[in-house]
Amino acid sequence: GDSVTQMEGPVTLSEEAFLTINCTYTATGYPSLFWYVQYPGEGLQLLLKATKADDKGSNKGFEATYRKETTSFHLEKGSVQVSDSAVYFCALSVNTGGFKTIFGAGTRLFVKA
Amino acid sequence: DAEITQSPRHKITETGRQVTLACHQTWNHNNMFWYRQDLGHGLRLIHYSYGVQDTNKGEVSDGYSVSRSNTEDLPLTLESAASSQTSVYFCASSEPAGDEQYFGPGTRLTVT
Repeated sequence: GDSVTQMEGPVTLSEEAFLTINCTYTATGYPSLFWYVQYPGEGLQLLLKATKADDKGSNKGFEATYRKETTSFHLEKGSVQVSDSAVYFCALSVNTGGFKTIFGAGTRLFVKA
Repeated sequence: DAEITQSPRHKITETGRQVTLACHQTWNHNNMFWYRQDLGHGLRLIHYSYGVQDTNKGEVSDGYSVSRSNTEDLPLTLESAASSQTSVYFCASSEPAGDEQYFGPGTRLTVT
């Protein structure tokens, strides 16, 4: 079945460090790929997405590229800030007569000042 | 501004009681979803609806039910609450032809 695997956390970085959170997927068909972010005490919100191979999604300094050949969608940011501390979820969406989204387990990021 | 709200935000109940969690969206989205979030499991789909009078089971639907009588609301009912249903519950909605989901703030449910 369709699934998403992302690196386990927590990830702890110092401010201005480079961030990579790995995400790989298994899907039948051609999914759309997403990164959602959850700040403490809040619901998830979309961070970025990509809908076809080689597309790059970007937002707030975060980037991820849809790699069909490696079935990956790794999240990167060149210089993290304390305010980036949150839980990050990789997800895929498949059309089964309506879009259904499958989430990874989430990766918690702590950024120290 | 359009939004999706959940109530209550926190609920403590006893084993065996019936509990209903409310979800209301003003996006006018046809698709609505209920998830539960547990440590180590990410988000797991409980039930979903593609429109009024339509409901479908997700991967962890046992012990839960939903009904969709209008576009705006998808209440989630726990028929007889169990301690295993202690969790944070999120409601979400999406456009019919799109796939980005918009989430509510969550309801933290504790079953004692």
